[in-house]
Amino acid sequence: GNSVTQMEGPVTLSEEAFLTINCTYTATGYPSLFWYVQYPGEGLQLLLKATKADDKGSNKGFEATYRKETTSFHLEKGSVQVSDSAVYFCALRAGAGSYQLTFGKGTKLSVIP
Amino acid sequence: EAQVTQNPRYLITVTGKKLTVTCSQNMNHEYMSWYRQDPGLGLRQIYYSMNVEVTDKGDVPEGYKVSRKEKRNFPLILESPSPNQTSLYFCASRGPGLSAYNEQFFGPGTRLTVL
Repeated sequence: GNSVTQMEGPVTLSEEAFLTINCTYTATGYPSLFWYVQYPGEGLQLLLKATKADDKGSNKGFEATYRKETTSFHLEKGSVQVSDSAVYFCALRAGAGSYQLTFGKGTKLSVIP
Repeated sequence: EAQVTQNPRYLITVTGKKLTVTCSQNMNHEYMSWYRQDPGLGLRQIYYSMNVEVTDKGDVPEGYKVSRKEKRNFPLILESPSPNQTSLYFCASRGPGLSAYNEQFFGPGTRLTVL
């Protein structure tokens, strides 16, 4: 079946540090890949997405590249801010015919001033 | 404003007392879904609905029921809640078509505690 594995948290960084959250996946066919963010007390929001190999999703300074050869979709940001403190979820939607999202377990990020 | 709303946002109840968590969306979306979020487990899908009167089980459907009588509403029903259903619940909806650009919109969550 489909699965998503992301690095265990929590992750604590100082403001302006570089962020990487690793995500790898297992899926048949050609899944679409997503990063969702959950700010404290809120629901999930789509952060970025990629639909095919070598696509790069980007938003709010975050980036992730769909790497089919390594089945990965790592999230990166060059300089984090305190306001980036949240839980980040990697997710996939399997290929044609599926609406279902499969989520990783989430990585909590805390950014300290 | 496009949104998914859930009620109640917080609920404390006792074992065996039937409850319903409502979910409503104003985007005319066909697809709706319920998830539960538990520490260390991420989000797991409970039930989903492709359209009115069309529902199906997700990964963890035991102990839950749903109905889809109207396009905008997708209530989650716990007929006899148990403590292992203490969790944070999210409703989500999605527009038609298989393009990844029809993203899923999530509600704000309902924190349920079953004593």
